Amino acid sequence: AQSVAQPEDQVNVAEGNPLTVKCTYSVSGNPYLFWYVQYPNRGLQFLLKYITGDNLVKGSYGFEAEFNKSQTSFHLKKPSALVSDSALYFCAVRDLRYTGNQFYFGTGTSLTVIP
Amino acid sequence: DGGITQSPKYLFRKEGQNVTLSCEQNLNHDAMYWYRQDPGQGLRLIYYSQIVNDFQKGDIAEGYSVSREKKESFPLTVTSAQKNPTAFYLCASSIRTGGDTQYFGPGTRLTVL
Repeated sequence: AQSVAQPEDQVNVAEGNPLTVKCTYSVSGNPYLFWYVQYPNRGLQFLLKYITGDNLVKGSYGFEAEFNKSQTSFHLKKPSALVSDSALYFCAVRDLRYTGNQFYFGTGTSLTVIP
Repeated sequence: DGGITQSPKYLFRKEGQNVTLSCEQNLNHDAMYWYRQDPGQGLRLIYYSQIVNDFQKGDIAEGYSVSREKKESFPLTVTSAQKNPTAFYLCASSIRTGGDTQYFGPGTRLTVL
């Protein structure tokens, strides 16, 4: 069973508009949740994570994400999109059922910010 | 990408050949990981290592092998048994296991000719 899902392969947003990249998870308990960004032919860069505490997590480059346990979601948001935000975004979950630090990644969402 | 290096950036292999991808980190992290990335499939875990001289299979370990003789190095060998090795390979490390953030290297793109 898929531990994490990103329902949108592609998201387009106009520069200056708010953006949302969706992520839902299906592991039990209180998972650890992460967002990464990938630029073409590059490795993944860490944006933010939720472990515990405040459901609204702030991260790098003005991004934030909200943990919603009842909806099992961890959507990535930014109030005002920049053209430079165009990239591939991955949500990941650390499944606490396993002793290793195994992350399960979504299939990625390609974000395009239109000038 | 800081602190984790992967080499080479591009690698071409003939069918039937083994090839080794290098991953080095200077972050003093205990845990290291290898992922494979294919278009539309996200990242899939090949192997991971929590400490020196120990490693565990991930979800797609068949056709791959690793070693962890030094804390800072975790090379991945793609063997001739791997049926479809053409992919983008990413190495990552974390301070330790247990929910710590994984940090990624720049990746190696392997193409089988």
